[in-house]
Amino acid sequence: QVQLQESGPGLVKSSETLSLTCTVSGGSIGNYYWSWIRQPPGKGLEWIGYIYYTGSTNYNPSLKSRVSISVDTSKNQFSLRLSSVTAADTAVYYCVRIRRYSGGPDASDIWGQGTMVTVSS
Amino acid sequence: DIVMTQSPDSLAVSLGERATINCKSSQSLLYTSNNKNCLAWYQQKPGQPPKLLIFWASTRESGVPDRFSGSGSGTDFTLTISSLQAEDVAVYYCQQYYSTPQTFGQGTKLEMK
Repeated sequence: QVQLQESGPGLVKSSETLSLTCTVSGGSIGNYYWSWIRQPPGKGLEWIGYIYYTGSTNYNPSLKSRVSISVDTSKNQFSLRLSSVTAADTAVYYCVRIRRYSGGPDASDIWGQGTMVTVSS
Repeated sequence: DIVMTQSPDSLAVSLGERATINCKSSQSLLYTSNNKNCLAWYQQKPGQPPKLLIFWASTRESGVPDRFSGSGSGTDFTLTISSLQAEDVAVYYCQQYYSTPQTFGQGTKLEMK
């Protein structure tokens, strides 16, 4: 079955760029949307954005000026970059598969285990 | 952005009893092309990622026990657990995928009484 695994530094300095990669195993990255969702400690879920396997993206306006999501179909991976981080960006970051229906993205059916990223001053 | 509001924030239910969680959206989630509502429910246990339970407001994901059901349309939705089991203790989130940014409710913590 399809599995997702996040990788990247667990500690990022304030004002620097957070970079994470999600590796998709057990299936192809094609024909789905791929998303990043984060969860600050003890809080709820925040959608960061998604990328379609073709490369088209959609970002949360609250983060749009700082976020970039890319895909590498040859490696079955997609990545997140979040620039100018602050303590408010400290969270568990999940990579997520979003199903597709004729009208666009559907529900998020497969989630990675998540990776904790702490922004230090 | 579509605002999703869940109620209650927390809920304590006895083993075998019914649990009901509500979710209200700030605008209709009805996708007229297929007459379905773009609403999903997730279950999150401590230290685990969320798990998809229900999509299109009322369709159970494969493998989800049939004690979980979703209902509602437009702006008002409900997740019902017909007979609470110990393993259902978790935080439950609703999410809209009608438009971006996709947004979640604040979560409802379900505990055993």
